[in-house]
Amino acid sequence: DGGITQSPKYLFRKEGQNVTLSCEQNLNHDAMYWYRQDPGQGLRLIYYSQIVNDFQKGDIAEGYSVSREKKESFPLTVTSAQKNPTAFYLCASRRDSAYEQYFGPGTRLTVT
Amino acid sequence: GIQVEQSPPDLILQEGANSTLRCNFSDSVNNLQWFHQNPWGQLINLFYIPSGTKQNGRLSATTVATERYSLLYISSSQTTDSGVYFCAVGAYGGSQGNLIFGKGTKLSVKP
Repeated sequence: DGGITQSPKYLFRKEGQNVTLSCEQNLNHDAMYWYRQDPGQGLRLIYYSQIVNDFQKGDIAEGYSVSREKKESFPLTVTSAQKNPTAFYLCASRRDSAYEQYFGPGTRLTVT
Repeated sequence: GIQVEQSPPDLILQEGANSTLRCNFSDSVNNLQWFHQNPWGQLINLFYIPSGTKQNGRLSATTVATERYSLLYISSSQTTDSGVYFCAVGAYGGSQGNLIFGKGTKLSVKP
């Protein structure tokens, strides 16, 4: 099946630890995105990548890092510098020739 | 940057009722999408509709780009329609494809 997968669904970490969230797509999409959602809020853009080996900061990039070594994969690292990391994280992708974005199922991160 | 406002923030309906959700945006857009977020958090694409009207079963959407608003119509609502509906836009001049989300309309359909 074609789609976007994110793993794990739930992640628990202690404060001060870095954690990496996985996002993989087999849709042959060019662009990939990471969003963060807090309770009762809309999504906010963390990072995006329109091509392999290139990525740009979104609106709330501080405390996060990404890599794009393969077209299919766009992992997000939540570093210990992120002050409020507990949130729901969603990955999305898009064909280069279209605007419509499609989302993965998300990862709920809890940091205590 | 572009602002996106959705109304109402909350909506409670009896099964079978119709509803209209509204999305206002503050600038010209090259992308407008409606999503349904189910109770498990999955965002489901409903419509890609930067202008015009589309219909898909009991759902339809209209975007009037010149007046900077979009409407999502749900007819004969069912309990499975419950969840949060998001409008998201991409602004002209913004980085291609980036979406700005509204805060959503939380819909509860009672049996």
